[in-house]
Amino acid sequence: SSELTQDPAVSVALGQTVRITCQGDSVMRYYVKWYQQKPGQAPLLVMSDTSNRPSGIPDRFSASSSGNTAVLTITGAQAEDEGDYYCNSRDSSGHPAIFGGGTKLTVL
Amino acid sequence: EGQLVQSGAEVKKPGASVKISCKVSGYTFTDYHIHWVQQVPGKGLEWVGFVDPEDGETMYAQKFQGRVTITADTSTDTAYMELSSLRSEDTAVYFCATIGGSDLTDWWGQGTLVTVSS
Repeated sequence: SSELTQDPAVSVALGQTVRITCQGDSVMRYYVKWYQQKPGQAPLLVMSDTSNRPSGIPDRFSASSSGNTAVLTITGAQAEDEGDYYCNSRDSSGHPAIFGGGTKLTVL
Repeated sequence: EGQLVQSGAEVKKPGASVKISCKVSGYTFTDYHIHWVQQVPGKGLEWVGFVDPEDGETMYAQKFQGRVTITADTSTDTAYMELSSLRSEDTAVYFCATIGGSDLTDWWGQGTLVTVSS
């Protein structure tokens, strides 16, 4: 399958830890990237497919993977972390062609 | 750091075509593939296709195959996405992006809203 499945919505209390998951066959073959998107803005890379945080991304963001599930963890979520999160992986040709459906994160 | 600047919003009638541009700066245009991503209002991201500016190689998502053409003009460092036979469900923001490489070169345009309405 070339699909990535994410929970549509997740909420977390301010300062607590939240995990956003991404399931699919491609997770077993390729590392995934994670993007954050806020209303009216282009997506922003928060975790690369080598589990590196791009410059400027807080260290409360981390990523892991096991089997067919990739996880983005935010440890000590802040109000500014609210937004939509998308995982992205590669297709059989190696192109970054597969996006998850997105998870809307609410920080309470 | 690379910058991708897209053309402005478009309003088209069903059946028409639209061609939107993505002008890059701050890096060598031929170094990275340009990808296009669709986002229908209120929905998620969907990959449309890409062009390799170095040799013009393209690949398209099956959903858009036959209706989309992505090109690159190395004389102006500009990539284009043309979508034909427009229908209402093509109403979306289209982003260009260099998402095929490392985290150091993951850059996005600001998005172009295409509205298809009679």
